[in-house]
Amino acid sequence: IAGITQAPTSQILAAGRRMTLRCTQDMRHNAMYWYRQDLGLGLRLIHYSNTAGTTGKGEVPDGYSVSRANTDDFPLTLASAVPSQTSVYFCASSRDGDTGELFFGEGSRLTVL
Amino acid sequence: KQEVTQIPAALSVPEGENLVLNCSFTDSAIYNLQWFRQDPGKGLTSLLLIQSSQREQTSGRLNASLDKSSGRSTLYIAASQPGDSATYLCAVLPDGSSNTGKLIFGQGTTLQVKP
Repeated sequence: IAGITQAPTSQILAAGRRMTLRCTQDMRHNAMYWYRQDLGLGLRLIHYSNTAGTTGKGEVPDGYSVSRANTDDFPLTLASAVPSQTSVYFCASSRDGDTGELFFGEGSRLTVL
Repeated sequence: KQEVTQIPAALSVPEGENLVLNCSFTDSAIYNLQWFRQDPGKGLTSLLLIQSSQREQTSGRLNASLDKSSGRSTLYIAASQPGDSATYLCAVLPDGSSNTGKLIFGQGTTLQVKP
């Protein structure tokens, strides 16, 4: 089934540990995004990539890094996790950066203790 | 700063009723507006995308309208069904952000359709 695959689905992590959330899409979309969803704050953009080899900062980029080595994969790394990074993380993609219609993965629920 | 508001936060209706969900935004300079559906513990599913030059979009029992000048969008659901129960989110893509994915989301309206 075509779409976006995120892994892991859920993870509990000790503060200070490094964590990489994986995201793969098979729709050959050029643009990919990482959002976090928090109760009362809604969805906020962390980082984005308009095409392989390029990335940009979103609204809440601090403490996160991304890479886009190819079209399909867009991993999100927390170098040293902190409790405030407890959230549900969604990867999304769109055909191009300017079409706007986003397709989302099922999310990765991360708890940092 | 663009802000998106959805009122009410929650809505409960009997099956079969036609209903309207509201979304308002503070800055009319938008590239497009998108409505999503989110089921509990799941990701977001795109329902309708309205470009800034359009007034409405329709898909099945769903119709979304856009009035940029007044900063409003509505999602109309006809003949509601229990399977429509979910949280509905609207999001705007501000002008100048078309290549960034910097959607600004509302908090959502949680809909319950009772059999």
